[in-house]
Amino acid sequence: GAGVSQSPSNKVTEKGKDVELRCDPISGHTALYWYRQSLGQGLEFLIYFQGNSAPDKSGLPSDRFSAERTGGSVSTLTIQRTQQEDSAVYLCASSLGSGANVLTFGAGSRLTVL
Amino acid sequence: TQLLEQSPQFLSIQEGENLTVYCNSSSVFSSLQWYRQEPGEGPVLLVTVVTGGEVKKLKRLTFQFGDARKDSSLHITAAQPGDTGLYLCAGDRGYQKVTFGTGTKLQVIP
Repeated sequence: GAGVSQSPSNKVTEKGKDVELRCDPISGHTALYWYRQSLGQGLEFLIYFQGNSAPDKSGLPSDRFSAERTGGSVSTLTIQRTQQEDSAVYLCASSLGSGANVLTFGAGSRLTVL
Repeated sequence: TQLLEQSPQFLSIQEGENLTVYCNSSSVFSSLQWYRQEPGEGPVLLVTVVTGGEVKKLKRLTFQFGDARKDSSLHITAAQPGDTGLYLCAGDRGYQKVTFGTGTKLQVIP
């Protein structure tokens, strides 16, 4: 596609439920990032995929968070047993993965945990 | 630990005024970028700077990368309501993991 696509755009869930957020990056982009943004503040790094390398998971806040990237393209961020503090906008970005690293972002998935 | 600290955190100014936003770190970056984000959208790249001391101009916006490649500034001349948004700096330390700053929320009042 022409841009980075994220779904769902909005998700409301009950505390304790699992959620899956999807990211479809720009075709040909080898790098894919997930960030979390709370209340219009800065972006908190979660996880980074680059080609076939092992992902950099150093930003995942707990073992309830996981992500995978299938076939070097689509990525899914899974949050298990959601908590109210997980409420935020989850942003996905992709890049060519080389040179000056220009990130193209999706519009984000807004998660609300009741 | 926040690698990139931005100041000020919030800024509300009148149309026509000038402003400067700062992005500071104790780490060295191979490149630094500035993004602007509007409500309900993802951040959009404004500029990338890669050389210490580099200055780039984009219409009324001037970006500077510090000589030591640890800090940067964004200066806006004669701000307009269309400049309103969240400004984010982001640094790459050379192994592709991009870290974002704390953000500066700018409001330009007509």
